[in-house]
Amino acid sequence: SYVLTQPPSVSMAPGETARIPCGGSNIATKSVHWYLQQPGQAPVLVLYDDTQRPSGIPERFSGSNFGNTATLSISRVEAGDEADYYCQVWDGDTNQVLFGGGTKLTVL
Amino acid sequence: EVQLLESGGGLVQPGGSVRLSCAASGLTFSSYTMSWVRQAAGKGLEWVSGISRTSGSKYYAQSLKGRFTISRDNSKNTLYLQMNSLRAEDTAIYYCVKSQRDGFDYDYWGQGTLVTVSS
Repeated sequence: SYVLTQPPSVSMAPGETARIPCGGSNIATKSVHWYLQQPGQAPVLVLYDDTQRPSGIPERFSGSNFGNTATLSISRVEAGDEADYYCQVWDGDTNQVLFGGGTKLTVL
Repeated sequence: EVQLLESGGGLVQPGGSVRLSCAASGLTFSSYTMSWVRQAAGKGLEWVSGISRTSGSKYYAQSLKGRFTISRDNSKNTLYLQMNSLRAEDTAIYYCVKSQRDGFDYDYWGQGTLVTVSS
C-alpha cells in the first residue's frame, strides 16, 4: 500500500526557511495537501493541490511536488509557526486518504 | 461561518458500539464531501472514512475491516459514523471534516469528540 514518509522533526532558527519533505513513490502524480496542528487544536489546511494557499494563509507558506518528494516550505519562520505538519494525499488505487506521520517544527 | 460540531463520544466498553454525529452549519451541507479523521493521544492523523455529497460513494480505511459505517442526512445537515466492535486501539479524538470541493482536501475541521474504549 502507498506510504507517505515525513521526518519526525525539523528545527530552524527564526528568520530561516524551513523545508518539510513528504516522500512517496511517484508522489508528483498525486495532489498533496498540507496541514498544521498546534497543541490542543484541530488541524488547519495550509496548502492544497501541492502549491495552493487557502485564504488567510501567509505567502510565507509555499509548496512543491517533484518526483518522489513533495515539500512544504515556510520562509522567515517565526515562533508562531511551531506546530506539527502533516502531508496528505488521495490514493486512487485503494480509494483511501493517506496522511504522513507528521513533522514537528521547532523554532529555536 | 462554517461550524462542525461533533457529539456522541464517551467511554465505551470493548466490543461495544457508538454513533458519532456531526452537526454542520454555515454552509450548504449537501454540496460537500465529508469525512471523519481520528487522532490517538500523542499520535498522528488517521483518516477513517469519507462520503460523497449524495451518499453515492463511501470510502473507508482498510484497517477498519468493515466495523465502521459512514452516513449523512442532508435534510438535517448532519454526518454520522456508526462504530461497532470497538477495540482499545479505536480510542482517539474523532474529527468531522469538510472537503473544499469533491476531493479530500479538508478546509474545515470540527473540534473533535473523544471516544475511549476501555473496560
